[in-house]
Amino acid sequence: GESVGLHLPTLSVQEGDNSIINCAYSNSASDYFIWYKQESGKGPQFIIDIRSNMDKRQGQRVTVLLNKTVKHLSLQIAATQPGDSAVYFCAENQEAGSYQLTFGKGTKLSVIP
Amino acid sequence: DTEVTQTPKHLVMGMTNKKSLKCEQHMGHRAMYWYKQKAKKPPELMFVYSYEKLSINESVPSRFSPECPNSSLLNLHLHALQPEDSALYLCASSQGTDYGYTFGSGTRLTVV
Repeated sequence: GESVGLHLPTLSVQEGDNSIINCAYSNSASDYFIWYKQESGKGPQFIIDIRSNMDKRQGQRVTVLLNKTVKHLSLQIAATQPGDSAVYFCAENQEAGSYQLTFGKGTKLSVIP
Repeated sequence: DTEVTQTPKHLVMGMTNKKSLKCEQHMGHRAMYWYKQKAKKPPELMFVYSYEKLSINESVPSRFSPECPNSSLLNLHLHALQPEDSALYLCASSQGTDYGYTFGSGTRLTVV
């Protein structure tokens, strides 16, 4: 199932399945987006980023999709593993050249072994 | 070295105490940040230092006082905190405005 990062929903996924985590952003002027993973008791860990001149970017087992028309960002995790269990945050740089990175509310991913 | 190191990892302080949080990075990043994170909430920006100068203060109360002694170090001085200031304090650094920010593991602060 999918979740929108407007509250703190939980997404439960069977190990080996693909996960999709969604994020709606508010500022059409935002030009840089980052996905972070945060495990319990740790700081946010960079996963992947994308600039506004791109629609898609792939990493190792992860893909970020950006739809500027509807101001929507998604993170796809392929072959989800128990180690992927964490809270995932999208973050946006709301103003080009600004150091202000604003985080979305997060989605908790739970992987069922 | 690709890490941001924060000390201490845990801190318990009384409301009349003065303490400092420390952050260090050796990646040559020119921007450093302090974020505050309450349980089950996203990190909230407090301060930004760019080239060792304070560039953003997100209306943070004066009981929090940041300091950037040099390009590798960032401190957060705490004085007369309130119990509601208990949170995870995160330090981060970045190469610029549109590069991935690297976060430390944070200092878990409890004010009693």
